[in-house]
Amino acid sequence: DIQMTQSPSSLSASVGDKVTITCRASQDIYNHLAWYQQKPGKVPKLLIYGASTLQSGVPSRLSGSGSGTDFTLTITSLQPEDVATYYCQTYYSAPKTFGQGTKVEIK
Amino acid sequence: EVHLVESGGGLVQPGGSLRLSCAASGFTFSTDSMNWVRQAPGKGLEWISYISSSTYTIYYADSVKGRFTISRDNAKDSLYLQMNSLRDEDSAVYYCVRDPFTSGHWGQGTLVTVSS
Repeated sequence: DIQMTQSPSSLSASVGDKVTITCRASQDIYNHLAWYQQKPGKVPKLLIYGASTLQSGVPSRLSGSGSGTDFTLTITSLQPEDVATYYCQTYYSAPKTFGQGTKVEIK
Repeated sequence: EVHLVESGGGLVQPGGSLRLSCAASGFTFSTDSMNWVRQAPGKGLEWISYISSSTYTIYYADSVKGRFTISRDNAKDSLYLQMNSLRDEDSAVYYCVRDPFTSGHWGQGTLVTVSS
């Protein structure tokens, strides 16, 4: 089974800061990686798929990169509305494993 | 517009059973594979099961294999999850999710609480 290791588990940054979250797969998943944002009490929202394709309506300050085993979600200028928990997920094969999540807060 | 509406959650004792349903609309349900994902209180997301459109292919997470059964009724545009031998650690919000995950279509979830 593919394991997804996400880091850090939490971070605190100031408004306007650049934020980077990483996700590592235990084996090559090509670009079969998605990123989600989840706010408390809400359904996860798809942000990025194919490792780097932005879902319609997602702000351009969010971006994804990587392929193979190493992936990154970047927020170029952190905004208050970005406070949430972010998850990576591989949909390459079953089990379609999620990372452990990264909680993003404002300093 | 795509809608996925889960139902069937509730309070159940350890060792008990529960059947979740997911009513789909806004897309051709019979041609799409589906998934169940759960989230325990305060915890992360856990994929637990997948079923192909024809039911030919089914997968389970190790944590539920042998206890949970995924099924679907394409005539009723509905997805199901039969949960048996429930444990405390099965307490979670259960989401049905359209496949591929890149569709971004999730239901609102139904809460299952396993407690005596």
